[in-house]
Amino acid sequence: DIQLTQSPSFLSASVGDRVTITCRASQGISSYLAWYQQKPGKAPKLLIYAASTLQSGVPSRFSGSASGTEFTLTISSLQPEDFATYSCQQLNSYPWTFGQGTKVEIK
Amino acid sequence: EVHLLESGGGLVQPGESLRLSCAASGFILSSYDMSWFRQAPGKGLESVSLISGGGNTYYADSVKGRFTISRDNSKNMMYLQMNSLRAEDTALYYCAKVARSTGADPWGQGTLVTVSS
Repeated sequence: DIQLTQSPSFLSASVGDRVTITCRASQGISSYLAWYQQKPGKAPKLLIYAASTLQSGVPSRFSGSASGTEFTLTISSLQPEDFATYSCQQLNSYPWTFGQGTKVEIK
Repeated sequence: EVHLLESGGGLVQPGESLRLSCAASGFILSSYDMSWFRQAPGKGLESVSLISGGGNTYYADSVKGRFTISRDNSKNMMYLQMNSLRAEDTALYYCAKVARSTGADPWGQGTLVTVSS
């Protein structure tokens, strides 16, 4: 199975901060990577697919990028509603695996 | 509006069976790839099984031989038959419409499966 190593596991930040989360794949996955946001008691919400394509309706402060097997989710200016857990997922080969998640909390 | 609703979760003893259902509305389920995911309490997300629009099925190694994914096109529903359940299958189970190129969206609200004696 393809392993995804996500970092950091926990992040404390303030409203307005620029936040970057990294996801590293154990092997090449082309651009088959998605990012999700999950709030307590809720289902995951798709933010970005194909490594850098913003899902319809998602604010433009969210962006994704890729360099080889390293993928990055950036929130340009953290808003109160952005405090949540973020997970990456590879869809290159089944089983589609997830990173362990990054919890973004208020500083 | 595209919507998914899971049902069928509950408390069972190890070794017992359970069938989860996923009702789709707003789209024809059989025309798309559909997947089951799960999330154990306090843990990350895990892929469980996938059924392609063409009917091909895929399973995580941890459930292969015990779980069966299927769909009923006439009812626009997908199922997950879970046999020989183990404590480690305890999780919130989600169904989602998926595509390799565009990710999983939408997701249902989840149904809780608890395996405990």
